[in-house]
Amino acid sequence: AQSVTQLGSHVSVSEGALVLLRCNYSSSVPPYLFWYVQYPNQGLQLLLKYTSAATLVKGINGFEAEFKKSETSFHLTKPSAHMSDAAEYFCAGNAGGTSYGKLTFGQGTILTVHP
Amino acid sequence: SAVISQKPSRDICQRGTSLTIQCQVDSQVTMMFWYRQQPGQSLTLIATANQGSEATYESGFVIDKFPISRPNLTFSTLTVSNMSPEDSSIYLCSVQDGTYEQYFGPGTRLTVT
Repeated sequence: AQSVTQLGSHVSVSEGALVLLRCNYSSSVPPYLFWYVQYPNQGLQLLLKYTSAATLVKGINGFEAEFKKSETSFHLTKPSAHMSDAAEYFCAGNAGGTSYGKLTFGQGTILTVHP
Repeated sequence: SAVISQKPSRDICQRGTSLTIQCQVDSQVTMMFWYRQQPGQSLTLIATANQGSEATYESGFVIDKFPISRPNLTFSTLTVSNMSPEDSSIYLCSVQDGTYEQYFGPGTRLTVT
């Protein structure tokens, strides 16, 4: 069974600093991986996805993530944090096949950006 | 991308009652999903709803508690039956397109007293 683990339930950075949110997955087959953002009292918005094409994936709002099979990781980064990036971020995976469409979510990481 | 709306956006219900949540999509989709997000928790898949077939429930979720309808390719409902305070959660529907992208509705925030 697939699992997704996010390391760090809370991450705090200064405005302008690098954002790094960690995600590791376990799967017996190459997964499809996603990062979502959830602002307070809102639904989830897709930031980016990995579907076995390029290993470096660029998303919206300046975020990107790199799929590293050797490390079973899909960490999310942004070079320079902005106050508007403060939100909760979820990494999710889909093993495909008979699990098509069924997303397994990590526990979420709350990003705080301080001036 | 698909645009998804949910009704109601929030509700406060008494234990023992039922609430039906509606999910409307602006385009025809084959697969729709229902998730639960308990307070301070991540999202957990409740069931997959495909038009023309019975919903498929994940482990820990049963049809008697969470009956689902999928009458057409743009609409689905989830009923939370015989509610208890433990059912207080955000319920979200989602749809998936052919590129594996999954889009979520804004959620229904349910409080059971």
